[in-house]
Amino acid sequence: QKEVEQNSGPLSVPEGAIASLNCTYSDRGSQSFFWYRQYSGKSPELIMFIYSNGDKEDGRFTAQLNKASQYVSLLIRDSQPSDSATYLCAAVGDNFNKFYFGSGTKLNVKP
Amino acid sequence: GAVVSQHPSRVICKSGTSVKIECRSLDFQATTMFWYRQFPKQSLMLMATSNEGSKATYEQGVEKDKFLINHASLTLSTLTVTSAHPEDSSFYICSADVPGQGAREQYFGPGTRLTVT
Repeated sequence: QKEVEQNSGPLSVPEGAIASLNCTYSDRGSQSFFWYRQYSGKSPELIMFIYSNGDKEDGRFTAQLNKASQYVSLLIRDSQPSDSATYLCAAVGDNFNKFYFGSGTKLNVKP
Repeated sequence: GAVVSQHPSRVICKSGTSVKIECRSLDFQATTMFWYRQFPKQSLMLMATSNEGSKATYEQGVEKDKFLINHASLTLSTLTVTSAHPEDSSFYICSADVPGQGAREQYFGPGTRLTVT
């Protein structure tokens, strides 16, 4: 399968801080990138997606994409304890069909 | 948003038996569904792509004779784990491709935890 790499963490940040989650991908043909949040024992929930270079903001979340560097990131502003979860990065190939997931980064937001 | 359900949510079976897992799109028609497997502390691994009315496409290394997929209607795909073994114990998650969405978002079902004893 095509590789999507994430630091497994855990990443610990204090409440109210900015959490920065990073992801790299190997397939230059990847067109779209998705960030999902997964709580333990649950299935993933979509946070946001991005397919153009640059930044995309949605509430407290900002996704950043740099296709030249094959790098995607997710910034979470004003982190809350409820944001504590595993964050999965996914890349979609040029057939706009198959999702390839990274192993996820575990985020701990400390009150 | 699009809702995908799975049944059962948990199943325990004995080694050598077969287990069927259902994935349904509740408020939309899904021409394509995907089946993933997730082992503890690991990521989702795509097993196969299920297309309505045609044979599923399996990822490399996934045994198609062991993991039978049937996508008989636009709202239902089933995964049957045949002759289950303890190493098949995992969290199985389906997702559905939502047609018409610009970035082709996928919505995930709640997952099925399979334990083979």
